[in-house]
Amino acid sequence: GDSVTQMEGPVTLSEEAFLTINCTYTATGYPSLFWYVQYPGEGLQLLLKATKADDKGSNKGFEATYRKETTSFHLEKGSVQVSDSAVYFCALTYYGQNFVFGPGTRLSVLP
Amino acid sequence: DTGVSQNPRHKITKRGQNVTFRCDPISEHNRLYWYRQTLGQGPEFLTYFQNEAQLEKSRLLSDRFSAERPKGSFSTLEIQRTEQGDSAMYLCASSLAGQGPEALNSPLHFGNGTRLTVT
Repeated sequence: GDSVTQMEGPVTLSEEAFLTINCTYTATGYPSLFWYVQYPGEGLQLLLKATKADDKGSNKGFEATYRKETTSFHLEKGSVQVSDSAVYFCALTYYGQNFVFGPGTRLSVLP
Repeated sequence: DTGVSQNPRHKITKRGQNVTFRCDPISEHNRLYWYRQTLGQGPEFLTYFQNEAQLEKSRLLSDRFSAERPKGSFSTLEIQRTEQGDSAMYLCASSLAGQGPEALNSPLHFGNGTRLTVT
């Protein structure tokens, strides 16, 4: 079945460092791809999405590009802040049916 | 938009008891999903509804689990004869699935979850 793999955490960075969180997927077709974020004590929130190959999703300084050739959707941010500390989940879906989530990557940003 | 509401926030029960959780989705959303999340893991799909119809159920959803969405509004998830392995966070999410390509991939809007502890 379809699956999502993420880099293992936790990831610890200093403020203003560059962030990459890797996400790769296994799918039989061409799903839509999402990044969700879960801040401490809060529910999951959509961060960004891309619905077809070569699309770039972006929000709050985060970006991710849908790479069909490498089945990847890596999350990047040029300069992280302490407030970005959270757990990040990569996910895929076909037409909004069963969303499949990765295991999550915990990010800690130190001042 | 008041968001997705889940009740209760926490539930502690003894093994063998039945529990029921409630989810109120965003009012105009026609799809409603239930997920389960354990510590250090991503959400695992349990089931989803489009309006009042239950369209898909995961193999994770044993016969002790049942979900309903009468009238296509709020939903309940019941677990009968709870086991310690049922301890988890139960998440509800909703989305608006329309006809166009963008609407078909509408993101999920999650509630804050119900944390179940089975002792």
